[in-house]
Amino acid sequence: AQSVTQLGSHVSVSEGALVLLRCNYSSSVPPYLFWYVQYPNQGLQLLLKYTTGATLVKGINGFEAEFKKSETSFHLTKPSAHMSDAAEYFCAVSLGGADGLTFGKGTHLIIQP
Amino acid sequence: DAGVIQSPRHEVTEMGQEVTLRCKPISGHDYLFWYRQTMMRGLELLIYFNNNVPIDDSGMPEDRFSAKMPNASFSTLKIQPSEPRDSAVYFCASSYTGNTEAFFGQGTRLTVV
Repeated sequence: AQSVTQLGSHVSVSEGALVLLRCNYSSSVPPYLFWYVQYPNQGLQLLLKYTTGATLVKGINGFEAEFKKSETSFHLTKPSAHMSDAAEYFCAVSLGGADGLTFGKGTHLIIQP
Repeated sequence: DAGVIQSPRHEVTEMGQEVTLRCKPISGHDYLFWYRQTMMRGLELLIYFNNNVPIDDSGMPEDRFSAKMPNASFSTLKIQPSEPRDSAVYFCASSYTGNTEAFFGQGTRLTVV
């Protein structure tokens, strides 16, 4: 069975600073990895995903993530935080296909002005 | 496409009452997922369908929960009888074979008093 651990339930950064949200996964087979964002009272929106190929994945709103197999990690970064980035971020893993996603507990990103 | 449509957006009901949540997936998608989101447990996969057939319902918490998909454009999640601990946000998501991304609805916020 696969699992996801997100380190830090809350992360606070200043506007313009680097955003780093950590995600580690456990999977018995090469995983598919995802980052979703959830704004208040909204559903989840896909930021980016890794399936195969290039390990550095670029997503929407300037976010990117790097798949590191040796570290079983898929950390999310953004060079410069914007106030509009304040939201809940979820890392997720699946075994491929459409067998359902296993989500981490989420990280609440707070942007300080 | 309007995306995944869930109704109602909010539901308040008394303990012991039957609750039915509804979902219309994106046209052409052959996978449909029901998730539950709570503060304590995060996002949990309850059940998913492929071509209207339930594939994995191991996440359904109790026999009080049931889900149906009578056709490709409609699914329901029913709780009978409802209990206060069922209070949560319930999300429906859909995807299609060959794609790994799940598209989420806005969710239904259920409060059982």
